[in-house]
Amino acid sequence: QVQLVQSGAEVKKPGSSVKVSCKASGGTFSDYTFNWVRQAPGQGLEWMGRLVPLLDMPNYAEKFQGRATITADKSTGTAYLELNSLRSEDTAVYYCATYCTSSRCQIRYYIDVWGRGTTVTVSS
Amino acid sequence: EIVLTQSPATLSLSPGERATLSCRASQSVSSYLAWYQQKPGQAPRLLIYDASSRATGIPDRFSGSGSGTDFTLTISSLEPEDFAVYYCQQRYKLYSFGQGTKLEI
Repeated sequence: QVQLVQSGAEVKKPGSSVKVSCKASGGTFSDYTFNWVRQAPGQGLEWMGRLVPLLDMPNYAEKFQGRATITADKSTGTAYLELNSLRSEDTAVYYCATYCTSSRCQIRYYIDVWGRGTTVTVSS
Repeated sequence: EIVLTQSPATLSLSPGERATLSCRASQSVSSYLAWYQQKPGQAPRLLIYDASSRATGIPDRFSGSGSGTDFTLTISSLEPEDFAVYYCQQRYKLYSFGQGTKLEI
């Protein structure tokens, strides 16, 4: 099964951007869709968007349209989330998470593999 | 955007008791609903998908039901390790999560 390794914690100033990476291993990259889910301190889970690597087509939650960009590098098996115009409310743990779309998988289209999360702190 | 509303926000029970958690969708999501468990400092874990199918390795004390807009997660007899936060999630139209139910002792 695929495993996800995320980049390390970030501290950013308000108004700046952050780019978080998520490297996949142990699976077929093209079998998976990459999602980004965030969780602010003491709060619930918030789905931000996803990318189907084969199609290179991202979808975003309305809230993040225009401010988040999800990309993938198929050559390295790495997905990325870039978030612009950071504000204090963006302080959160950002999870990379995947679901399988291949008929080889028992569970399809439900997120069942998660990275450990990347803490992003936005503070002046 | 589909909004999922979970109730109650907090549920206080004891080991051995039965837990019933609810999730209501703002529009029909058919059976495209999942339940996740999250413990402090950990990533969520998939428990139930397609409203009622248990994920790999999930004990049979966990069960899911419902379709359309109303869904239920039932834990038949609580074990100490079941005290956590539970989230529902839909995949009918993109993805979204409920706000969570904290199951506490």
